[in-house]
Amino acid sequence: AQKVTQAQTEISVVEKEDVTLDCVYETRDTTYYLFWYKQPPSGELVFLIRRNSFDEQNEISGRYSWNFQKSTSSFNFTITASQVVDSAVYFCALSEARRSSNTGKLIFGQGTTLQVKP
Amino acid sequence: SQTIHQWPATLVQPVGSPLSLECTVEGTSNPNLYWYRQAAGRGLQLLFYSVGIGQISSEVPQNLSASRPQDRQFILSSKKLLLSDSGFYLCALASGYTDTQYFGPGTRLTVL
Repeated sequence: AQKVTQAQTEISVVEKEDVTLDCVYETRDTTYYLFWYKQPPSGELVFLIRRNSFDEQNEISGRYSWNFQKSTSSFNFTITASQVVDSAVYFCALSEARRSSNTGKLIFGQGTTLQVKP
Repeated sequence: SQTIHQWPATLVQPVGSPLSLECTVEGTSNPNLYWYRQAAGRGLQLLFYSVGIGQISSEVPQNLSASRPQDRQFILSSKKLLLSDSGFYLCALASGYTDTQYFGPGTRLTVL
């Protein structure tokens, strides 16, 4: 069965610190997608990144970076020089690649609440 | 660009009352549509998904139901609400050949 584990329930850092959010997943599929979403206090889930299982290149987008390692089934998210606006709940999610019998359902982790203090 | 609308934004309902939550999308055709619920404690659970008009798949047996009367409309309903139905309901869409799901603003439901 598919499963996503975000072991860190809450993280608190001071502004400008770097912080890494961990995500470990389980799947028997060889083809799948991994995602990160941000949920600010307003509640709406904001898409951050999608990675497919064949692409283990790390990704950097501004202060955000992602480390995908199939060997350890991990897809970790690092925020460099954190800011107060980064405070939110962050979700890691997994889906099977779309096939005729599949619809790309997302399996979410429980989320990590990040608090960035000024 | 794609836009997802959810109505209402917040709702307080008594136990046993009916429910109708609406999700409408713009800027895309024939999307996959999804209903998720986020209970207190944060986890998101897929409730229903639809790949087309009139096609509904249920993920979790419960007293909720979903319908898709039009290509860009997805409705979540209940005949009699339970306390356990309280939560934050999110509609999502996935279109084209990507599997990225984009979420609407959500409806916060409180059942008293």
